[in-house]
Amino acid sequence: DARVTQTPRHKVTEMGQEVTMRCQPILGHNTVFWYRQTMMQGLELLAYFRNRAPLDDSGMPKDRFSAEMPDATLATLKIQPSEPRDSAVYFCASGFGQGTEAFFGQGTRLTVV
Amino acid sequence: TQLLEQSPQFLSIQEGENLTVYCNSSSVFSSLQWYRQEPGEGPVLLVTVVTGGEVKKLKRLTFQFGDARKDSSLHITAAQPGDTGLYLCAGFTGTASKLTFGTGTRLQVTL
Repeated sequence: DARVTQTPRHKVTEMGQEVTMRCQPILGHNTVFWYRQTMMQGLELLAYFRNRAPLDDSGMPKDRFSAEMPDATLATLKIQPSEPRDSAVYFCASGFGQGTEAFFGQGTRLTVV
Repeated sequence: TQLLEQSPQFLSIQEGENLTVYCNSSSVFSSLQWYRQEPGEGPVLLVTVVTGGEVKKLKRLTFQFGDARKDSSLHITAAQPGDTGLYLCAGFTGTASKLTFGTGTRLQVTL
């Protein structure tokens, strides 16, 4: 049963700490998205990759966020240093891009205290 | 800046009622999708519309893509408690794979 896997599911950390979220996209998918969801802002696109190359990360605060795809089976989203306003659910999704379904993971619920 | 505005934001109705959710933008989308999200889960695709004026039906759900490919609507007939959830429209822009989501409509259907 192919699915997108995100780890950890929950993370509580103190302000100023580094946070790394991981995503294993569905094997064979060439497009990976990172989204952040909050009640106030909804589902915001942070960054996305095609064939492991970053295409757009304009939705990400550049000074503290970074997204990478070290290989086709792993995407990472890192926050350093974390701040309370980063508290949200972070979703990874994968697919074949234009016009096709984006398959979402279950998300990482991040709380920064 | 949200490119896709949905209305209403919240909707609470009784079982058996009909409803329509709207998704509007000033941008043209090459294709538009509707997703449904339940608590603790990621969004799940309901439908993709590609052609301006296209209408697709999925059981009691009817989706329409505007002629100019800037807007879409979701109509649910005879809503059931199982329809409860967050409904999200999402659009692909240009030739890129960028997928942007709307502001969402939270639907609650009660007995």
